[in-house]
Amino acid sequence: GENVEQHPSTLSVQEGDSAVIKCTYSDSASNYFPWYKQELGKRPQLIIDIRSNVGEKKDQRIAVTLNKTAKHFSLHITETQPEDSAVYFCAARGGGAGSYQLTFGKGTKLSVIP
Amino acid sequence: GAGVSQSPSNKVTEKGKDVELRCDPISGHTALYWYRQSLGQGLEFLIYFQGNSAPDKSGLPSDRFSAERTGGSVSTLTIQRTQQEDSAVYLCASSLGWANEKLFFGSGTQLSVL
Repeated sequence: GENVEQHPSTLSVQEGDSAVIKCTYSDSASNYFPWYKQELGKRPQLIIDIRSNVGEKKDQRIAVTLNKTAKHFSLHITETQPEDSAVYFCAARGGGAGSYQLTFGKGTKLSVIP
Repeated sequence: GAGVSQSPSNKVTEKGKDVELRCDPISGHTALYWYRQSLGQGLEFLIYFQGNSAPDKSGLPSDRFSAERTGGSVSTLTIQRTQQEDSAVYLCASSLGWANEKLFFGSGTQLSVL
């Protein structure tokens, strides 16, 4: 099955700096890669996603890049703000027939220091 | 409803007791997922429903775990003879269909087995 590795497990940045979280996946047939943000005590929420036919996607201060050859994808947050502090999870969905399962990484706890 | 609803929000039980966790997905969402989130860990896939059918139950940790969904709506996750290692947050999510990847999560049930 799919295996998703996520690094780093914790990340502290100064407000205004950029943050980068990286994930690798094992199944070369995986075709969908979302990122979820979970604030303390709250439910995970989708913040951005990318499909395997796209190399990069941006949404305001966040962007995701995908390298299919290397089987890794990254989340980039620019101009970080205190409200960006949360746990971020990457995930991958296999490309096989009937694939439905999202396999999540173990999460990155991002702390933005004012 | 407005979002995915889970109950109870917190459950404390004694080792060996059975527990039932309930998930009420967003109206019209045919796909329903159960995940388990242990402290410091990612989201562990448990089971997926498309309508009332569960195509893959292989994520369930042991035969003490079972789940059902009736009427294509509410789902119940049952853990029999609970063990301390079952302590975790159990998250339910729904999506429009298995091909619609965006998951909407509930707030989870925090299960503590004493």
